[in-house]
Amino acid sequence: KAGVTQTPRYLIKTRGQQVTLSCSPISGHRSVSWYQQTPGQGLQFLFEYFSETQRNKGNFPGRFSGRQFSNSRSEMNVSTLELGDSALYLCASRSWTGDAYEQYFGPGTRLTVT
Amino acid sequence: QQPVQSPQAVILREGEDAVINCSSSKALYSVHWYRQKHGEAPVFLMILLKGGEQKGHEKISASFNEKKQQSSLYLTASQLSYSGTYFCGTETGNTGNQFYFGTGTSLTVIP
Repeated sequence: KAGVTQTPRYLIKTRGQQVTLSCSPISGHRSVSWYQQTPGQGLQFLFEYFSETQRNKGNFPGRFSGRQFSNSRSEMNVSTLELGDSALYLCASRSWTGDAYEQYFGPGTRLTVT
Repeated sequence: QQPVQSPQAVILREGEDAVINCSSSKALYSVHWYRQKHGEAPVFLMILLKGGEQKGHEKISASFNEKKQQSSLYLTASQLSYSGTYFCGTETGNTGNQFYFGTGTSLTVIP
């Protein structure tokens, strides 16, 4: 099976702009989660989508939003970009294994805000 | 609510063993372990469930102490390829819960 894919891999934006990141999960995975990774804060959970519904949300401002399509592909949007939004954004899809989900990450999108 | 990992960093010689600990203040349903190499995405190693058995993967295994909300990752006979940052990830339930990553442990294996 193909792994989790994310596009674009690198992005440079200016403060105040908005950005949309895309994630295609592993075939058959219905859950997609988004994470932000920075040197200072580490890996932080943004939100999870399951069957097109946001199932949970981390402690991020409303400028961070997402959605999931019927084919499980997901997009994340950040509006009014700030310098502090510069980070590696990781998408992960999950498979059902018994009582729990194993989670597999995509390569990430490196966002730089100038 | 972020799990705390210890040690923060460890340097090993090939063939040595290491233990990485992950501690949470919340009652946990599951603990995940990941390894991330510089410039790459985290790679799933294993998941441990409340009430589940100790897991193993090659020479890497882990345990989960539900009473103490702690998990430990055991690396035996370390190889150069084991170098990277290890993260634990925790959940308090199996649906609709935030996923918290630990503070990370940098592990370096030298020849």
